[in-house]
Amino acid sequence: EAGVTQSPTHLIKTRGQQATLRCSPISGHTSVYWYQQALGLGLQFLLWYDEGEERNRGNFPPRFSGRQFPNYSSELNVNALELEDSALYLCASSATGTSGYNEQFFGPGTRLTVL
Amino acid sequence: AQKVTQAQTEISVVEKEDVTLDCVYETRDTTYYLFWYKQPPSGELVFLIRRNSFDEQNEISGRYSWNFQKSTSSFNFTITASQVVDSAVYFCALMETSYDKVIFGPGTSLSVIP
Repeated sequence: EAGVTQSPTHLIKTRGQQATLRCSPISGHTSVYWYQQALGLGLQFLLWYDEGEERNRGNFPPRFSGRQFPNYSSELNVNALELEDSALYLCASSATGTSGYNEQFFGPGTRLTVL
Repeated sequence: AQKVTQAQTEISVVEKEDVTLDCVYETRDTTYYLFWYKQPPSGELVFLIRRNSFDEQNEISGRYSWNFQKSTSSFNFTITASQVVDSAVYFCALMETSYDKVIFGPGTSLSVIP
């Protein structure tokens, strides 16, 4: 069974540009979570989507947004990139997050570098 | 407020030494889950263990063992006879009954020197 996949592996952008990161969950999973791992800030929760809806959001500015498609894959968009957005962005999926505990499985991440 | 504390930022040990990574958590929930993840230099998170709040039994898996103590809100991780391949950043994490996100500690960077 294929795990969580993310693309691209690496992404280089300049300040002010927009970045789009993609995540495909494990087949059958309806929940997708995004986490940011910036240098010195650890792993921080960004967004949670389930059944196409945004269910929860971490303490990030509106520049960070996303969506979930009918096939449950997800995009994370970062607008007006700033240098401090440089980070590893991890996606995770679970069967669902709305009815009790379900294991989150993590993808390999996308490393975003903002120059 | 940070809910998972890993007081050791970096640890260096010589190969074959035992090492314990500390984790202290904070939650008001009576039902919760605790995790340990390993992050090698490649960046991918590797799941090591999950514990729910009702299971205080310690667990051993090969060279790895975990000591969960609700009384002190701690979930420590011990590697016995460390190996160079154990070098990585280790994260302790918590999921509360909102089930909406994993709360990670700041991580402990372990270096095992040959």
